[in-house]
Amino acid sequence: GAVVSQHPSWVICKSGTSVKIECRSLDFQATTMFWYRQFPKQSLMLMATSNEGSKATYEQGVEKDKFLINHASLTLSTLTVTSAHPEDSSFYICSARHLNRAGNQPQHFGDGTRLSIL
Amino acid sequence: DAKTTQPNSMESNEEEPVHLPCNHSTISGTDYIHWYRQLPSQGPEYVIHGLTSNVNNRMASLAIAEDRKSSTLILHRATLRDAAVYYCIPVLFTSGTYKYIFGTGTRLKVLA
Repeated sequence: GAVVSQHPSWVICKSGTSVKIECRSLDFQATTMFWYRQFPKQSLMLMATSNEGSKATYEQGVEKDKFLINHASLTLSTLTVTSAHPEDSSFYICSARHLNRAGNQPQHFGDGTRLSIL
Repeated sequence: DAKTTQPNSMESNEEEPVHLPCNHSTISGTDYIHWYRQLPSQGPEYVIHGLTSNVNNRMASLAIAEDRKSSTLILHRATLRDAAVYYCIPVLFTSGTYKYIFGTGTRLKVLA
């Protein structure tokens, strides 16, 4: 149980394109989802916290107009990288916390989306 | 914010026990410690978590120091499939929610 699915797994697109990444909790409901970014040989960096029905909370240094987050239902959050440029190329990973579990309980991670901007 | 210190890398022989240490000396009294591992090009996989007591599950054991300033993840018999980057993560309550702040992790190599 507690499966989180990301789509697409990888995407290659031209500079200036906007790219949408979906994060779905398949067998549980999640009021809170998280978006991370990971560059090669580095650790995961938290970008933002996504709450169902409200605005996302962004970490310091993350541009909210660049990385649009929508969390319209208890099972889906989307991250849109607007006007993507080569420096936005990275591995984007989402996670979700079960609705009925305490906040200090484990998050469930998706398998990530590799974004390459040419 | 609680920060963690882990060895950059460790090696183990297959079938041998592995002890992965983590220092989290700035942790607060209510911060849980979560451990995850990550294989290349995959998202992190949950391993184990705890607060004060030692914990065991089918994957591993977690030994938490009495002063909670450090913990050790124990893989009882390492297999080749255990080769991964292991992250020790204190769960922080900040800005109204519980968050993970990942450190650099320990890259575990398992030798056949």
